[in-house]
Amino acid sequence: GQQLNQSPQSMFIQEGEDVSMNCTSSSIFNTWLWYKQDPGEGPVLLIALYKAGELTSNGRLTAQFGITRKDSFLNISASIPSDVGIYFCAGQRGNDMRFGAGTRLTVKP
Amino acid sequence: GAGVSQTPSNKVTEKGKYVELRCDPISGHTALYWYRQSLGQGPEFLIYFQGTGAADDSGLPNDRFFAVRPEGSVSTLKIQRTERGDSAVYLCASSFGRGGDQYFGAGTRLSVL
Repeated sequence: GQQLNQSPQSMFIQEGEDVSMNCTSSSIFNTWLWYKQDPGEGPVLLIALYKAGELTSNGRLTAQFGITRKDSFLNISASIPSDVGIYFCAGQRGNDMRFGAGTRLTVKP
Repeated sequence: GAGVSQTPSNKVTEKGKYVELRCDPISGHTALYWYRQSLGQGPEFLIYFQGTGAADDSGLPNDRFFAVRPEGSVSTLKIQRTERGDSAVYLCASSFGRGGDQYFGAGTRLSVL
């Protein structure tokens, strides 16, 4: 089963607002990843983090690999309607990757 | 191809039947993974191939599930005597080597009636 606790489960925000979601684990991971999944599609990789403390940006997305290696957060700035979807965190250790249950984001225009 | 390709996109079957789900990974990716995603959940690991061999099959729920990758490229997930609880989206991912970033296909939605 899943070992990652992802929160919040869902968010309803206004277009233009910033969003923050996070993931915690009881286990240490070597890599943290954030994926976005649209209906009927597979998860799409947004950001990968490889080093404890690392802060990485990809456009309006910023993610950090927690210093304890047991947590990560994802921020989305200035949200737009196409940000709608389900965001998953994933922790990876070798070939073993575990996912959170997802954060469902709704953006109101 | 450009991305991971999974076929069929949807499969409806009856309880007790046998099904095969196919995954065609990104060209050059040596590692291939199968996951199962239930409604409202994240993907759950089933099995990992490095080349032709199943390096880790610890996620397979029982012996009705089996997967092969005979030539180190295309993989087939096989489910025998399907049960209603097998209904889920089955996702395939590939990566360039062990531990590499995983890229997912669109999945096969399996419905067991």
